Amino acid sequence: GENVEQHPSTLSVQEGDSAVIKCTYSDSASNYFPWYKQELGKRPQLIIDIRSNVGEKKDQRIAVTLNKTAKHFSLHITETQPEDSAVYFCAASSSGGSNYKLTFGKGTLLTVNP
Amino acid sequence: ETGVTQTPRHLVMGMTNKKSLKCEQHLGHNAMYWYKQSAKKPLELMFVYSLEERVENNSVPSRFSPECPNSSHLFLHLHTLQPEDSALYLCASSQDRSGAYGYTFGSGTRLTVV
Repeated sequence: GENVEQHPSTLSVQEGDSAVIKCTYSDSASNYFPWYKQELGKRPQLIIDIRSNVGEKKDQRIAVTLNKTAKHFSLHITETQPEDSAVYFCAASSSGGSNYKLTFGKGTLLTVNP
Repeated sequence: ETGVTQTPRHLVMGMTNKKSLKCEQHLGHNAMYWYKQSAKKPLELMFVYSLEERVENNSVPSRFSPECPNSSHLFLHLHTLQPEDSALYLCASSQDRSGAYGYTFGSGTRLTVV
């Protein structure tokens, strides 16, 4: 089955700096890669996703890149703000066959210091 | 609310009690999931239901019993739990079981077993 590794497990940055979180996956059939943000005491929320036919996707201060050859994808947050502080989860999914579910990484606790 | 509602938000139960967690979605999704989230662990998939049919039981102990009476409702029946079962239990739904359009999570039930 799919295995998703996420690094780092914790990340601390100063407000205004950029933050990068990286994930690798094992199943070359995976074709959908979402990122979730979970603030303390709240539910995970989808913030951005990318499909395998695209190499990069951007939404304001958030961008995700995908390298299918290397089987890794990354979340980039620019001009970080204190409200970006949360746990971020990456995930991978392939449609079709038996591997039909999202497999999550272990999460990255991002702290943005004012 | 995101369209996925979980009740109760908090639950404290003894090891001999029987209780049920409820999840309801009004998004017209066809797949629903139970996840367990413990401290410092990744999101652990417990059960997957697609069109009311259980399509995966991820090696979950029998003291957890899911029920999906229709595509909008999902229950998790609990009995004779152990203290290590204390965790946040998250329900999620998706358009279909591929997960290829992302999941919408509920706010979770914080379960404490005493």
